Amino acid sequence: QSVLTQPPSVSGAPGQRVTISCSGSSSNIGAGYDVHWYQQFPGTAPKFLICDNNNGPSGVPDRFSGSKSGTSASLAITGLQAEDEANYYCQSYDSSLNGWVFGGGTKLTVL
Amino acid sequence: QVHLVESGGGVVQPGRSLRLSCVASGFTFNIYAMFWVRQAPGKGLEWVAVISDDESQKSYADSVRGRFVISRDNSKNTMFLQMNSLRGEDTAVYFCARVMDEEGALDIWGQGTMVTVSS
Repeated sequence: QSVLTQPPSVSGAPGQRVTISCSGSSSNIGAGYDVHWYQQFPGTAPKFLICDNNNGPSGVPDRFSGSKSGTSASLAITGLQAEDEANYYCQSYDSSLNGWVFGGGTKLTVL
Repeated sequence: QVHLVESGGGVVQPGRSLRLSCVASGFTFNIYAMFWVRQAPGKGLEWVAVISDDESQKSYADSVRGRFVISRDNSKNTMFLQMNSLRGEDTAVYFCARVMDEEGALDIWGQGTMVTVSS
């Protein structure tokens, strides 16, 4: 069981908006630590997408946005495209574990 | 171009050791902290270890503490992961990644190297 909980899968049609949740606790997201999001295609390395404060590397489409509230964070993808079909992971720091933690990952399917 | 390239993976018997390397290029290696992250087949990402830019601080996941040792040689732009007393559950692709900020965002990743622990 991952410390950060993500839904195993989400789906949406092209052009739609989808959100992927990342649920934590008072020792990680709720403690104010940043939440980072990564995109991973099968057989490749993860790619840094965005933080919950919407800071991220240049080149990432502004269709991707991050947010955080309480002990949870979300990644929103608007104008869904077929190329967005991938696995998405959240990451944060956990003060109880004194280390970094990842969510279990969410597979996004574009219908 | 900013690059991280891992090497050293392979098939190893339980209880044996293996050393992974991660060579950096295209950026000033000695001002960045670095991570090792692993991914078991068909599973999610797991943080393994982190090392500060000057090697003064190191931290490990509970699952590897006492068995794995992270180190770096800034003169060679290289980070290492010495893995001892390997177990079947250590079987995974091991990625090295550059830490972008104090919150642990990982902005550059290597392609990964596969470690299989099997008799």
